[in-house]
Amino acid sequence: QKEVEQNSGPLSVPEGAIASLNCTYSDRGSQSFFWYRQYSGKSPELIMSIYSNGDKEDGRFTAQLNKASQYVSLLIRDSQPSDSATYLCAVKSAGNQFYFGTGTSLTVIP
Amino acid sequence: DTAVSQTPKYLVTQMGNDKSIKCEQNLGHDTMYWYKQDSKKFLKIMFSYNNKELIINETVPNRFSPKSPDKAHLNLHINSLELGDSAVYFCASSQGETVNQPQHFGDGTRLSIL
Repeated sequence: QKEVEQNSGPLSVPEGAIASLNCTYSDRGSQSFFWYRQYSGKSPELIMSIYSNGDKEDGRFTAQLNKASQYVSLLIRDSQPSDSATYLCAVKSAGNQFYFGTGTSLTVIP
Repeated sequence: DTAVSQTPKYLVTQMGNDKSIKCEQNLGHDTMYWYKQDSKKFLKIMFSYNNKELIINETVPNRFSPKSPDKAHLNLHINSLELGDSAVYFCASSQGETVNQPQHFGDGTRLSIL
């Protein structure tokens, strides 16, 4: 079983819709959770972090964490073509090790 | 003021050569990392290093070796380059012992083996 799992996609949504990206993790002791966005040919860029159960909102982005279910998600409201990228879920374990998922490719269709 | 900088950005070389990629961070972080990202876009951890411990991913060939002259630098040296080494290599840093601190990435080095 991989430490962090994501659906690889591709996920396509129309412009203006909500994009929902999901991630599960195996280490129940994990404490920190991050979402990175990676445009083609660029480096991963941190867009959200979450540490407590519940929702955390930042502009059009909402991260959701459910530690009991070992599940973290990212919602992108009012999706724009500029949101088209690969989204990487990262988990920092209890041992301070980072684990990345394989990424979900998102395409927002104008 | 680049936080994590890597050089060179592009590296094209022949099979069998030895090459190095340099990485420097000015964030004051105590832990640095090297990742390999292949054509399938999966970020594979190669090494993590702080002033206490080097953690090596056991799947990394011993042709790859990290070298850290100080805690702001972690260079990657590769011996006897092979075709399968072609990939993008990312350096990253974090404050390793602090739970809520993320990793910050450099711009990557695109390595092509001819």
